[in-house]
Amino acid sequence: QKEVEQDPGPLSVPEGAIVSLNCTYSNSAFQYFMWYRQYSRKGPELLMYTYSSGNKEDGRFTAQVDKSSKYISLFIRDSQPSDSATYLCAMSMFSGGYNKLIFGAGTRLAVHP
Amino acid sequence: EPEVTQTPSHQVTQMGQEVILRCVPISNHLYFYWYRQILGQKVEFLVSFYNNEISEKSEIFDDQFSVERPDGSNFTLKIRSTKLEDSAMYFCASSEGFGSSYNEQFFGPGTRLTVL
Repeated sequence: QKEVEQDPGPLSVPEGAIVSLNCTYSNSAFQYFMWYRQYSRKGPELLMYTYSSGNKEDGRFTAQVDKSSKYISLFIRDSQPSDSATYLCAMSMFSGGYNKLIFGAGTRLAVHP
Repeated sequence: EPEVTQTPSHQVTQMGQEVILRCVPISNHLYFYWYRQILGQKVEFLVSFYNNEISEKSEIFDDQFSVERPDGSNFTLKIRSTKLEDSAMYFCASSEGFGSSYNEQFFGPGTRLTVL
């Protein structure tokens, strides 16, 4: 079983739609859950992180973590064409002051006008 | 805004040759990382580095790989004898490493390595 599973998509939605992106994981030791955005031929850029379970909101973005189900989600409200990118979930176990990130495969999102 | 930089942006090499990928982490950061992304696959952790030592390495990071911080600003990844399967995008990242809360890893733009 893969440590982190993410549907690669692609996902195509009209501008203004609500987008739901998800990942599941198998390692219950993960404590930090991140969503990165990656544009073509660029490095990943952190969107949001959540510690343990719960919700976190930042503008149009909401991250949810359900540790009991080992399931995390990212919701994008009022999606814009500029949101078109690959979204990577990533997870880590806090240990010794550094964080090795374990990534999902990434979901390619296209928001069309 | 401070950022992680990487050079070169694209490196083409022949199989069996040595390559050195260079990174300049954000200046006050203490932890440094290398990740790779084979085309169409997930980003994979290679190695983390702190206080001039490897903190952790993955199974991918075998004897053909080495890392070094030769001076106060650069962080390098060396592949001694490249193989075709080393062709990938290599990302450098750095984090502050202070305190007990989450330390964001900032990624560079990557170096695309093509092994022929």
